[in-house]
Amino acid sequence: QLQLQESGPGLVKPSETLSLTCTVSGGSISSSSHYWGWIRQPPGKGLEWIGSIYYSGTTYYNPSLKSRVTISVDTSKNHFSLKLSSVTAADTAVYYCARQWVDGRAFDIWGQGTMVTVSS
Amino acid sequence: QSVLTQPPSVSGAPGQRVTISCTGSSSNIGARYDVHWYQQLPGTAPKLLIYGNNNRPSGVPDRFSGSKSGTSASLAITGLQAEDEADYYCQSYDSSLSGLLFGGGTKLTVL
Repeated sequence: QLQLQESGPGLVKPSETLSLTCTVSGGSISSSSHYWGWIRQPPGKGLEWIGSIYYSGTTYYNPSLKSRVTISVDTSKNHFSLKLSSVTAADTAVYYCARQWVDGRAFDIWGQGTMVTVSS
Repeated sequence: QSVLTQPPSVSGAPGQRVTISCTGSSSNIGARYDVHWYQQLPGTAPKLLIYGNNNRPSGVPDRFSGSKSGTSASLAITGLQAEDEADYYCQSYDSSLSGLLFGGGTKLTVL
């Protein structure tokens, strides 16, 4: 069955760039029926959608984060990545990657999440 | 500042029925975009509970149901069980933002 796994540094310094990768296993990222998304959850708070990407490279982002976010896909490695620049303590969160249906836009399969702390 | 508004908390006794509301606007739920619901147990990733307003993925008990009317949606849970204690989130698309939204989340306590 398809699984997603986030990876990347758990600690990032303020003003630097947060970089995470989501590796898809048990299925192809080059699916015409799915987008691939990033969602985050600050400690004790709710979910926030960051952005999503199609295997072709088409992206759409949360307007509140758009100026700092880049999501890319590497179909040869079956993974997609998140870069968030100029981070502050407010970006401290659990970051999830998830598979998103094109039709209806629900997230049906989630990674386990990875905690990223922004601190000097 | 979610534009999908959920009550912060609801509670009910075992066996009872509870509902969780998700209030949006004419640019999301009212624009007939699908509403989805997720269950997040403590310390775990969210799980898709209801998709397309009122559909259950395989394996989700029929105690969980969804509905939508106008600019609001609701999640109903019947026959409450202790294992239902979790956070619940609604999600939809917003045309004015050209992006996805999550509600602020509702914590369900089983008394």
